[in-house]
Amino acid sequence: EAAVTQSPRNKVTVTGGNVTLSCRQTNSHNYMYWYRQDTGHGLRLIHYSYGAGNLQIGDVPDGYKATRTTQEDFFLLLELASPSQTSLYFCASKTGGSYEQYFGPGTRLTVL
Amino acid sequence: GEQVEQLPSILRVQEGSSASINCSYEDSASNYFPWYKQEPGENPKLIIDIRSNMERKQIQELIVLLDKKAKRFSLHITDTQPGDSAMYFCAASEGGSAKLIFGEGTKLTVSS
Repeated sequence: EAAVTQSPRNKVTVTGGNVTLSCRQTNSHNYMYWYRQDTGHGLRLIHYSYGAGNLQIGDVPDGYKATRTTQEDFFLLLELASPSQTSLYFCASKTGGSYEQYFGPGTRLTVL
Repeated sequence: GEQVEQLPSILRVQEGSSASINCSYEDSASNYFPWYKQEPGENPKLIIDIRSNMERKQIQELIVLLDKKAKRFSLHITDTQPGDSAMYFCAASEGGSAKLIFGEGTKLTVSS
């Protein structure tokens, strides 16, 4: 099974704080995704990428930036964190020839 | 944008009975429909999927039905066991993109 790792696994910050969430996949997948999961909303796509240097806007991008530095690494940046961004964040990846997305273990972010 | 509606949000069944979850989608170009299972504290994992060239797919106790005309698909778990208790998410591919649109989830509880 494809391996997707995320760090940190838990993060607490204050309103206005600067946070970077990291995701790494070592399966040579082209596509990588950032989702947030909130009760009653399921999984909502924030940003995604087709490959190194590429960035696509998802469905709930406001307040988030992302950067794909290499084939393996995809970062989610919250430059001015707000309490509304308290959530569980999942990274996922997939190959170009498949539909199946593989999810990382998640990062729980709390913004006080 | 594209939405996927999932019902019910909460489902309680007795061990050994069947459980059914229904989803509907809007985009007639959607051609891939996965189902993910998420246990508490874990990441979502793909359990079964169906493509638009099929109407029915079964893997052991899991059955997926797809009605393209009605833009509906459903998951049926036969002979449920306590280990089937989890959150279940349906999703639909967004036509022409690498995105999945997720439903809001169903919390299934199987009591013995």
